[in-house]
Amino acid sequence: AQKVTQAQTEISVVEKEDVTLDCVYETRDTTYYLFWYKQPPSGELVFLIRRNSFDEQNEISGRYSWNFQKSTSSFNFTITASQVVDSAVYFCALSDSNYQLIWGAGTKLIIKP
Amino acid sequence: NAGVTQTPKFQVLKTGQSMTLQCAQDMNHNSMYWYRQDPGMGLRLIYYSASEGTTDKGEVPNGYNVSRLNKREFSLRLESAAPSQTSVYFCASSAELVGEGYTFGSGTRLTVV
Repeated sequence: AQKVTQAQTEISVVEKEDVTLDCVYETRDTTYYLFWYKQPPSGELVFLIRRNSFDEQNEISGRYSWNFQKSTSSFNFTITASQVVDSAVYFCALSDSNYQLIWGAGTKLIIKP
Repeated sequence: NAGVTQTPKFQVLKTGQSMTLQCAQDMNHNSMYWYRQDPGMGLRLIYYSASEGTTDKGEVPNGYNVSRLNKREFSLRLESAAPSQTSVYFCASSAELVGEGYTFGSGTRLTVV
């Protein structure tokens, strides 16, 4: 069965600290896709990244970076030099041959000024 | 702005009442989805439509019906609302069914009393 686990319910850091959000997934498929979404306090869902199972290269976009490791079934998200505007709930999600996007429960990130 | 438009944004229903949530996208996407988000949980798929003319059940379809009216529109109907259906509902679309990033609407906050 497919499953996405975000063990960190809530993380609180002081601005400018680096923070890593963990995501562990389960799937039997060899072809699958992993996603990260951001949900700020306003409630909308913002797409951050998509990664397919054949591409294990780490991705960097500004202060955001993602570490995909198939050996540990993890797709972790790091924010470098965090800012108050990064405060949000972050969701990790998995899409495989079942055509459904399976979501983790989310990690609430609080960045204190 | 291009994207996914959901109406209404807020709704309060009495138990047993019916209503339809509307969703329209203008990105020429083939696939559309309805999710619900409950506190402390990730999104759960209610129904999806891989392409115009097709609909399929997701993880939590009971108590809901959908209609893919045309390529742009995908509506969600609650025939007899129950308090357990109090939730935030999100419509989403993607170009294809598997592996694409989803674009989400801004959500509908539904309360059933």
